[in-house]
Amino acid sequence: GAVVSQHPSWVICKSGTSVKIECRSLDFQATTMFWYRQFPKQSLMLMATSNEGSKATYEQGVEKDKFLINHASLTLSTLTVTSAHPEDSSFYICSAPGAGWTEAFFGQGTRLTVV
Amino acid sequence: RKEVEQDPGPFNVPEGATVAFNCTYSNSASQSFFWYRQDCRKEPKLLMSVYSSGNEDGRFTAQLNRASQYISLLIRDSKLSDSATYLCVVNGHTGRRALTFGSGTRLQVQP
Repeated sequence: GAVVSQHPSWVICKSGTSVKIECRSLDFQATTMFWYRQFPKQSLMLMATSNEGSKATYEQGVEKDKFLINHASLTLSTLTVTSAHPEDSSFYICSAPGAGWTEAFFGQGTRLTVV
Repeated sequence: RKEVEQDPGPFNVPEGATVAFNCTYSNSASQSFFWYRQDCRKEPKLLMSVYSSGNEDGRFTAQLNRASQYISLLIRDSKLSDSATYLCVVNGHTGRRALTFGSGTRLQVQP
């Protein structure tokens, strides 16, 4: 099946620094990538939708200037957490939709810890 | 009200037990329904899709009641390896292709 590779799998950073998370579609072209965030014992919540060649669409309550999304090619989408704070510590995961409504291909997830 | 609501859990059951998970969704326009499994600190993995006619895959049986907006998952003869969080997921309403996840129900199967 289709593969989405996400890096890094975990990262620890200092408050105020920025962290970039990459998701690559390895054997297919992903014109759309969904970015989710999951806090401990909570559901995966959609943060934003990135579309190749156009601006990302952010969900209500997600700061677009803090979570920068770039989808410059059909195989790469990135999420940059800028000026990270401890409350940004979470599990971030990307997902590319498959055909129709029936498939979703997930990256392995990135566990971010801001100290 | 949450878009997808699940039993809060956790469920602690002995090996061999039958366990049922329930889920309701709020948007009647939802088109596709799934159960995903998520192990600790890992990405969710598709367990099975859920169809109106009900469907079975080995020890797992899923049911969908569109009129009640209710989804269920039954696991028979539970194994230690079934221990995970089970996520109820819907897709396709209002043209949105992103999945909408329930908060999950943690299952712990004990020897």
